[in-house]
Amino acid sequence: DVKVTQSSRYLVKRTGEKVFLECVQDMDHENMFWYRQDPGLGLRLIYFSYDVKMKEKGDIPEGYSVSREKKERFSLILESASTNQTSMYLCASSLRFEQFFGPGTRLTVL
Amino acid sequence: KQEVTQIPAALSVPEGENLVLNCSFTDSAIYNLQWFRQDPGKGLTSLLLIQSSQREQTSGRLNASLDKSSGRSTLYIAASQPGDSATYLCAGGFNQAGTALIFGKGTTLSVSS
Repeated sequence: DVKVTQSSRYLVKRTGEKVFLECVQDMDHENMFWYRQDPGLGLRLIYFSYDVKMKEKGDIPEGYSVSREKKERFSLILESASTNQTSMYLCASSLRFEQFFGPGTRLTVL
Repeated sequence: KQEVTQIPAALSVPEGENLVLNCSFTDSAIYNLQWFRQDPGKGLTSLLLIQSSQREQTSGRLNASLDKSSGRSTLYIAASQPGDSATYLCAGGFNQAGTALIFGKGTTLSVSS
Protein backbone atom coordinates (compact mmCIF):
# COMPACT_ATOMS: atom_id res chain seq x y z
CA ASP A 1 0.00 0.00 0.00
CA VAL A 2 1.06 3.53 -0.77
CA LYS A 3 2.22 5.42 2.31
CA VAL A 4 3.02 9.09 2.83
CA THR A 5 3.62 10.18 6.41
CA GLN A 6 4.00 13.62 7.93
CA SER A 7 5.89 14.27 11.14
CA SER A 8 3.08 16.00 13.05
CA ARG A 9 -0.70 16.15 12.81
CA TYR A 10 -0.92 19.35 14.87
CA LEU A 11 1.73 21.99 15.55
CA VAL A 12 1.62 25.28 17.44
CA LYS A 13 4.47 27.73 17.00
CA ARG A 14 5.20 31.35 17.85
CA THR A 15 5.78 34.19 15.41
CA GLY A 16 9.42 34.34 14.31
CA GLU A 17 10.21 30.71 15.08
CA LYS A 18 11.86 28.48 12.49
CA VAL A 19 9.54 25.59 11.67
CA PHE A 20 10.32 22.26 10.03
CA LEU A 21 7.64 20.06 8.51
CA GLU A 22 8.80 16.61 7.48
CA CYS A 23 7.32 14.27 4.90
CA VAL A 24 8.37 10.70 4.14
CA GLN A 25 7.16 8.36 1.38
CA ASP A 26 7.93 4.68 1.04
CA MET A 27 7.06 4.21 -2.64
CA ASP A 28 10.36 5.24 -4.27
CA HIS A 29 8.54 8.12 -6.00
CA GLU A 30 10.52 10.71 -7.94
CA ASN A 31 8.21 13.66 -7.33
CA MET A 32 7.25 15.17 -3.99
CA PHE A 33 5.09 18.19 -3.29
CA TRP A 34 4.13 20.60 -0.53
CA TYR A 35 0.72 22.29 -0.61
CA ARG A 36 -1.18 24.48 1.77
CA GLN A 37 -4.95 24.38 2.04
CA ASP A 38 -7.04 27.32 3.24
CA PRO A 39 -10.82 27.78 3.34
CA GLY A 40 -12.06 29.46 0.19
CA LEU A 41 -8.66 29.28 -1.50
CA GLY A 42 -8.34 25.53 -1.99
CA LEU A 43 -5.02 23.76 -2.39
CA ARG A 44 -2.06 25.85 -3.48
CA LEU A 45 1.33 24.48 -4.43
CA ILE A 46 4.26 25.84 -2.42
CA TYR A 47 7.20 23.83 -3.79
CA PHE A 48 7.84 20.54 -5.49
CA SER A 49 10.88 18.36 -6.05
CA TYR A 50 11.46 16.04 -9.00
CA ASP A 51 14.68 14.45 -7.74
CA VAL A 52 17.08 14.52 -4.83
CA LYS A 53 18.43 18.04 -4.26
CA MET A 54 16.20 19.36 -7.09
CA LYS A 55 13.33 21.74 -6.38
CA GLU A 56 10.95 24.05 -8.20
CA LYS A 57 8.86 26.92 -6.87
CA GLY A 58 5.12 26.52 -6.97
CA ASP A 59 2.49 29.23 -6.86
CA ILE A 60 3.21 30.59 -3.37
CA PRO A 61 6.86 29.98 -2.38
CA GLU A 62 7.38 33.24 -0.48
CA GLY A 63 8.32 32.69 3.15
CA TYR A 64 9.12 29.00 2.59
CA SER A 65 12.08 26.88 1.62
CA VAL A 66 12.48 23.14 1.08
CA SER A 67 15.09 20.44 1.38
CA ARG A 68 15.37 17.04 -0.26
CA GLU A 69 18.56 15.26 0.75
CA LYS A 70 17.16 11.75 0.34
CA LYS A 71 14.65 10.46 -2.18
CA GLU A 72 12.10 9.45 0.43
CA ARG A 73 12.14 12.63 2.49
CA PHE A 74 10.98 16.16 1.63
CA SER A 75 11.08 18.92 4.23
CA LEU A 76 9.26 22.24 4.26
CA ILE A 77 10.92 25.03 6.22
CA LEU A 78 9.31 28.22 7.44
CA GLU A 79 12.34 30.43 8.06
CA SER A 80 10.48 32.88 10.33
CA ALA A 81 6.90 31.82 10.97
CA SER A 82 4.19 34.44 10.66
CA THR A 83 0.50 34.35 11.57
CA ASN A 84 -0.52 34.29 7.91
CA GLN A 85 1.20 30.94 7.60
CA THR A 86 -1.40 29.35 9.87
CA SER A 87 -2.85 26.67 7.62
CA MET A 88 -3.21 22.98 6.80
CA TYR A 89 -0.04 21.71 5.11
CA LEU A 90 -0.28 18.69 2.86
CA CYS A 91 2.56 16.65 1.43
CA ALA A 92 2.18 14.43 -1.63
CA SER A 93 4.31 12.17 -3.80
CA SER A 94 3.92 10.78 -7.31
CA LEU A 95 5.77 8.57 -9.74
CA ARG A 96 4.14 10.04 -12.82
CA PHE A 97 0.60 11.35 -12.75
CA GLU A 98 -1.14 9.98 -9.70
CA GLN A 99 -0.50 11.92 -6.51
CA PHE A 100 -0.75 10.35 -3.07
CA PHE A 101 -1.19 12.53 -0.03
CA GLY A 102 -0.16 12.37 3.58
CA PRO A 103 -2.56 13.02 6.49
CA GLY A 104 -1.70 16.73 6.73
CA THR A 105 -0.23 18.97 9.43
CA ARG A 106 -2.44 21.63 10.98
CA LEU A 107 -0.03 24.48 11.82
CA THR A 108 -1.06 27.35 14.05
CA VAL A 109 1.27 30.34 14.39
CA LEU A 110 0.52 32.54 17.41
CA LYS B 1 -4.26 30.29 -17.14
CA GLN B 2 -5.60 26.81 -16.40
CA GLU B 3 -8.53 26.70 -14.03
CA VAL B 4 -10.54 23.86 -12.54
CA THR B 5 -14.04 24.54 -11.28
CA GLN B 6 -16.45 22.42 -9.25
CA ILE B 7 -20.11 23.31 -9.00
CA PRO B 8 -22.01 23.08 -6.73
CA ALA B 9 -19.88 23.77 -3.67
CA ALA B 10 -22.21 21.65 -1.53
CA LEU B 11 -24.75 18.90 -2.18
CA SER B 12 -27.17 17.05 0.11
CA VAL B 13 -28.87 13.81 -0.92
CA PRO B 14 -30.79 11.03 0.83
CA GLU B 15 -29.19 7.63 1.25
CA GLY B 16 -29.52 5.33 -1.76
CA GLU B 17 -29.59 8.05 -4.36
CA ASN B 18 -27.30 7.95 -7.38
CA LEU B 19 -25.49 11.23 -7.89
CA VAL B 20 -23.08 13.03 -10.18
CA LEU B 21 -20.36 15.47 -9.16
CA ASN B 22 -19.11 17.88 -11.80
CA CYS B 23 -15.68 19.22 -12.64
CA SER B 24 -14.83 21.59 -15.50
CA PHE B 25 -11.49 22.78 -16.79
CA THR B 26 -10.46 25.55 -19.14
CA ASP B 27 -7.56 23.90 -21.00
CA SER B 28 -8.40 20.95 -23.23
CA ALA B 29 -4.70 20.03 -23.38
CA ILE B 30 -5.12 18.07 -20.19
CA TYR B 31 -2.93 15.04 -19.52
CA ASN B 32 -4.97 13.47 -16.75
CA LEU B 33 -7.76 14.11 -14.28
CA GLN B 34 -7.68 12.83 -10.73
CA TRP B 35 -10.55 12.62 -8.24
CA PHE B 36 -9.90 12.75 -4.50
CA ARG B 37 -11.92 12.41 -1.33
CA GLN B 38 -11.16 14.46 1.77
CA ASP B 39 -12.67 13.88 5.20
CA PRO B 40 -12.73 16.83 7.65
CA GLY B 41 -9.26 17.66 8.97
CA LYS B 42 -7.63 14.86 6.99
CA GLY B 43 -5.46 14.46 3.91
CA LEU B 44 -6.66 13.60 0.43
CA THR B 45 -7.40 10.04 -0.64
CA SER B 46 -6.99 9.25 -4.33
CA LEU B 47 -10.15 7.73 -5.78
CA LEU B 48 -9.65 7.53 -9.54
CA LEU B 49 -7.15 8.70 -12.13
CA ILE B 50 -8.15 9.10 -15.77
CA GLN B 51 -5.42 9.48 -18.36
CA SER B 52 -6.12 11.70 -21.38
CA SER B 53 -6.30 8.65 -23.65
CA GLN B 54 -9.07 7.13 -21.50
CA ARG B 55 -12.72 8.10 -21.32
CA GLU B 56 -13.59 6.62 -17.96
CA GLN B 57 -12.44 4.66 -14.94
CA THR B 58 -14.42 2.61 -12.46
CA SER B 59 -13.80 1.54 -8.88
CA GLY B 60 -16.62 -0.14 -7.01
CA ARG B 61 -19.58 2.25 -6.84
CA LEU B 62 -17.57 5.06 -8.38
CA ASN B 63 -17.27 5.88 -12.06
CA ALA B 64 -15.34 8.85 -13.41
CA SER B 65 -15.48 10.13 -16.97
CA LEU B 66 -13.36 12.58 -18.91
CA ASP B 67 -14.45 14.60 -21.95
CA LYS B 68 -11.53 16.74 -23.11
CA SER B 69 -13.42 18.43 -25.93
CA SER B 70 -16.10 19.82 -23.62
CA GLY B 71 -13.68 20.45 -20.74
CA ARG B 72 -15.63 18.31 -18.30
CA SER B 73 -15.22 15.40 -15.95
CA THR B 74 -17.91 13.76 -13.84
CA LEU B 75 -17.76 11.48 -10.81
CA TYR B 76 -20.77 9.19 -10.57
CA ILE B 77 -21.54 7.65 -7.18
CA ALA B 78 -24.06 4.81 -7.21
CA ALA B 79 -26.34 3.98 -4.29
CA SER B 80 -24.92 6.65 -2.00
CA GLN B 81 -24.33 5.87 1.70
CA PRO B 82 -23.81 8.11 4.75
CA GLY B 83 -20.15 7.01 4.73
CA ASP B 84 -19.77 8.76 1.37
CA SER B 85 -20.20 12.12 3.11
CA ALA B 86 -16.98 14.04 2.48
CA THR B 87 -15.49 16.71 0.25
CA TYR B 88 -14.67 15.54 -3.26
CA LEU B 89 -11.95 17.34 -5.19
CA CYS B 90 -10.93 17.02 -8.79
CA ALA B 91 -7.52 17.99 -10.10
CA GLY B 92 -6.32 18.40 -13.65
CA GLY B 93 -2.78 17.52 -14.72
CA PHE B 94 -1.54 19.92 -17.36
CA ASN B 95 2.02 18.85 -18.03
CA GLN B 96 3.64 15.64 -19.18
CA ALA B 97 5.84 15.37 -16.12
CA GLY B 98 2.83 15.19 -13.84
CA THR B 99 4.05 18.06 -11.70
CA ALA B 100 1.39 20.66 -12.47
CA LEU B 101 -1.84 19.56 -10.80
CA ILE B 102 -4.52 22.25 -10.63
CA PHE B 103 -7.21 21.63 -8.03
CA GLY B 104 -10.84 22.58 -7.93
CA LYS B 105 -12.19 23.84 -4.60
CA GLY B 106 -14.30 20.77 -4.08
CA THR B 107 -17.91 19.72 -3.61
CA THR B 108 -18.94 18.87 -0.05
CA LEU B 109 -21.36 15.94 -0.15
CA SER B 110 -23.73 15.10 2.68
CA VAL B 111 -25.67 11.83 2.51
CA SER B 112 -28.46 11.55 5.06
CA SER B 113 -29.82 8.25 6.38
